[in-house]
Amino acid sequence: DAMVIQNPRYQVTQFGKPVTLSCSQTLNHNVMYWYQQKSSQAPKLLFHYYDKDFNNEADTPDNFQSRRPNTSFCFLDIRSPGLGDAAMYLCATSRADGRGNQPQHFGDGTRLSIL
Amino acid sequence: AQSVAQPEDQVNVAEGNPLTVKCTYSVSGNPYLFWYVQYPNRGLQFLLKYITGDNLVKGSYGFEAEFNKSQTSFHLKKPSALVSDSALYFCAVRDPHTNAGKSTFGDGTTLTVKP
Repeated sequence: DAMVIQNPRYQVTQFGKPVTLSCSQTLNHNVMYWYQQKSSQAPKLLFHYYDKDFNNEADTPDNFQSRRPNTSFCFLDIRSPGLGDAAMYLCATSRADGRGNQPQHFGDGTRLSIL
Repeated sequence: AQSVAQPEDQVNVAEGNPLTVKCTYSVSGNPYLFWYVQYPNRGLQFLLKYITGDNLVKGSYGFEAEFNKSQTSFHLKKPSALVSDSALYFCAVRDPHTNAGKSTFGDGTTLTVKP
């Protein structure tokens, strides 16, 4: 089945130690998103790629970066994680067809813990 | 700017009874509206969407939603609740003029169905 896969499901890192979260998709969708979700709150959009075009949200900290080397893969890099960055990170994809009416497909997330 | 509100943090219903999870929205022009469900330690799953046409939309797992333009609402409904419907539900709205399909999510409603 076509899907969005996030690795790892659980990640533990130390305060200030860089960490990378991975997302891959077999849906061939042109848009990929990264969300941060804390304690069953609404997912907070960090940034998204429309094809290769990177779109950062205005309130996303500089500590968060992303890479999309090809259509299938997208990475979230946290350069110096702080305790406040402990959260579930969700990757999602959608097919942008010019009408904006396609749903998002989510991976099962990576739960990040900071020691 | 687009926004969505889910006025109830929690909804409790007995198994077999009808359920309603409320959502109201604000967007310029005609909205695209979505419902997602999230089970513990999982990503969001798409349930249904309203784009245009019939105000009553049917989706996965027996859920449906009714679009009401005059009340700017898009309430999620199910005629007979199951214990397995217990989860976190998110309503989302999208600006139809945004090709990349950025959605704004509500704060979520926890549905508990008791046997």
